[in-house]
Amino acid sequence: SQQGEEDPQALSIQEGENATMNCSYKTSINNLQWYRQNSGRGLVHLILIRSNEREKHSGRLRVTLDTSKKSSSLLITASRAADTASYFCATDKLTGGGNKLTFGTGTQLKVEL
Amino acid sequence: DAGITQSPRYKITETGRQVTLMCHQTWSHSYMFWYRQDLGHGLRLIYYSAAADITDKGEVPDGYVVSRSKTENFPLTLESATRSQTSVYFCASSAVARTEAFFGQGTRLTVV
Repeated sequence: SQQGEEDPQALSIQEGENATMNCSYKTSINNLQWYRQNSGRGLVHLILIRSNEREKHSGRLRVTLDTSKKSSSLLITASRAADTASYFCATDKLTGGGNKLTFGTGTQLKVEL
Repeated sequence: DAGITQSPRYKITETGRQVTLMCHQTWSHSYMFWYRQDLGHGLRLIYYSAAADITDKGEVPDGYVVSRSKTENFPLTLESATRSQTSVYFCASSAVARTEAFFGQGTRLTVV
């Protein structure tokens, strides 16, 4: 079963707007990561947030983590057409998971001109 | 070229045939992974490896076999392909446990 579930499944916005996508997971984690996948390509790592961190920034990306709610959000500010892609969260379990990264089902983001 | 490469990029095979998907990385990363990606399921882990000669099952290992005799290679074999194994397969590697994973471009496998 999936450890992470992204919400919404699909999101369509205008260029310049902010995009927010959420990830919920089931068990206690060590780290949470976000990845981007352009159509027909492999996944690209965006950002990693550790379980003892609450917020992290990287360029136009802001990630928050709420371990009490077992959820994370990815905010992309001032979106561009090039941000059109699928976004996945991935977690590794705090105990018993080895080094396995478990991915959610993803959010498809479309940024329109 | 440095990086992680998968071959072939596209493969069509018949039900019952054995097929091997190749994965090669040039970074000497310890950890390597095989995922399959299907609509509605996201990415699901098939097998992973923490080092040469060390492999372990993931979420959906049935029907697949892996080996890792060399650090840089991690082939995935479908012993007797079934239509349900039609999917896009991704190989990934990471240098250190629980950190950033680097993905190959994927292999689109169709079993007819």
